[in-house]
Amino acid sequence: EAGVAQSPRYKIIEKRQSVAFWCNPISGHATLYWYQQILGQGPKLLIQFQNNGVVDDSQLPKDRFSAERLKGVDSTLKIQPAKLEDSAVYLCASSLVGGTNEKLFFGSGTQLSVL
Amino acid sequence: LAKTTQPISMDSYEGQEVNITCSHNNIATNDYITWYQQFPSQGPRFIIQGYKTKVTNEVASLFIPADRKSSTLSLPRVSLSDTAVYYCLVGVQGFQKLVFGTGTRLLVSP
Repeated sequence: EAGVAQSPRYKIIEKRQSVAFWCNPISGHATLYWYQQILGQGPKLLIQFQNNGVVDDSQLPKDRFSAERLKGVDSTLKIQPAKLEDSAVYLCASSLVGGTNEKLFFGSGTQLSVL
Repeated sequence: LAKTTQPISMDSYEGQEVNITCSHNNIATNDYITWYQQFPSQGPRFIIQGYKTKVTNEVASLFIPADRKSSTLSLPRVSLSDTAVYYCLVGVQGFQKLVFGTGTRLLVSP
């Protein structure tokens, strides 16, 4: 079974530039999550999709971050404009339905460095 | 607001048993306790999940007392490759999302 795919693996940009990350979840998984993980911290949920609808985006900085999940499959997360404090690993995860007792499957993440 | 409390770090040697305890005083009645493992440059990976008493799989055991306010992840005979960060997660009543804490950094030495 193929896992969660993310690209790019690494990205280096200057502050105020824009950047986009892509995620392809496990086939058949209805729920998709984007997490931000700053060095030395646990992952923080940015946004959760159920199919192509947003379930939770309470911690997404909406003035600069946006995300979409077209056709309930692939998803993109965009940052515009980027700030220094956005340097982190951006993890995508998926689960079958989305309950809190469900197993999450994570991708390897995109490491973003903002200079 | 952190939902779980774990030790920040632990050290061990190859071949020893490692027990990592997590406290979760406000666990909901119907929620499970789930542990994830994260290696550098990788996303977290599911290890084990349980509701009460004891659960064992090929990787670890999970011990949960009757009051369910804490749990202990047990890794038998650790090897160097078990060096990772271990996260304890629980569903919290009123929340639909799982919250990761800072985890426990386990360092296994030769």
